Amino acid sequence: EVQLVESGGGLVQPGGSLRLSCAASGFTFSSYEMNWVRQAPGKGLEWVSYISSSGSAMSYTDSVQGRFTASRDNAKSSVFLEMNSLRAEDTAVYYCARIDFSGNAAFGYWGQGTLVTVSS
Amino acid sequence: EIVMTQSPATLSVSPGERATLSCRASQSVGSNLAWYQQKPGQAPRLLIYGASTRATGIPARFSGSGSGTEFTLTISRLQSEDFAIYYCQRYDNWPARTFGQGTKVEIK
Repeated sequence: EVQLVESGGGLVQPGGSLRLSCAASGFTFSSYEMNWVRQAPGKGLEWVSYISSSGSAMSYTDSVQGRFTASRDNAKSSVFLEMNSLRAEDTAVYYCARIDFSGNAAFGYWGQGTLVTVSS
Repeated sequence: EIVMTQSPATLSVSPGERATLSCRASQSVGSNLAWYQQKPGQAPRLLIYGASTRATGIPARFSGSGSGTEFTLTISRLQSEDFAIYYCQRYDNWPARTFGQGTKVEIK
């Protein structure tokens, strides 16, 4: 069974940093790209970042480009999101998500999410 | 940038009735369109990919149609567990993805 478990969320001051983790199990982690998707309170879904299966390629939504960095450790079946220069508008539940299967770019598997609150 | 617009924002439907949700792209996305269901406090769940293919385990009462710029999610006979928010998502712009703003299906 595919499982994705996020951790690392919490309360951080504006301008601060936070590192999110997503531990994966139940599949060959090194074979799949991974993504982060966020959802501000009461709002819709927003794709945040992508990292390739090898970790050699990343992509970000414009609003986090230069502030967030995705990485992964295939030996530990984990993906990370390093978030710097945090702003109030980064407050959201952050989900890690895996594509449904190779060749299908829709997100078939999601974690339960971790809440990030940026506030003074 | 291609914008995804969902309508209506809220749909009031009685149990057992049909619900029809719309997703429009400002430019063609081909068939690179997915639908998700999200209930309060839960992660989204993939319903449809490739505009019309049901994901594993999704009941047959959910169906997707369309291509290019106009897409529809139909729930043939609404059950109590179907009241939720539904999002469309384009993925022709991989690795980026773009979600619509969502349609809330509520009990009439």
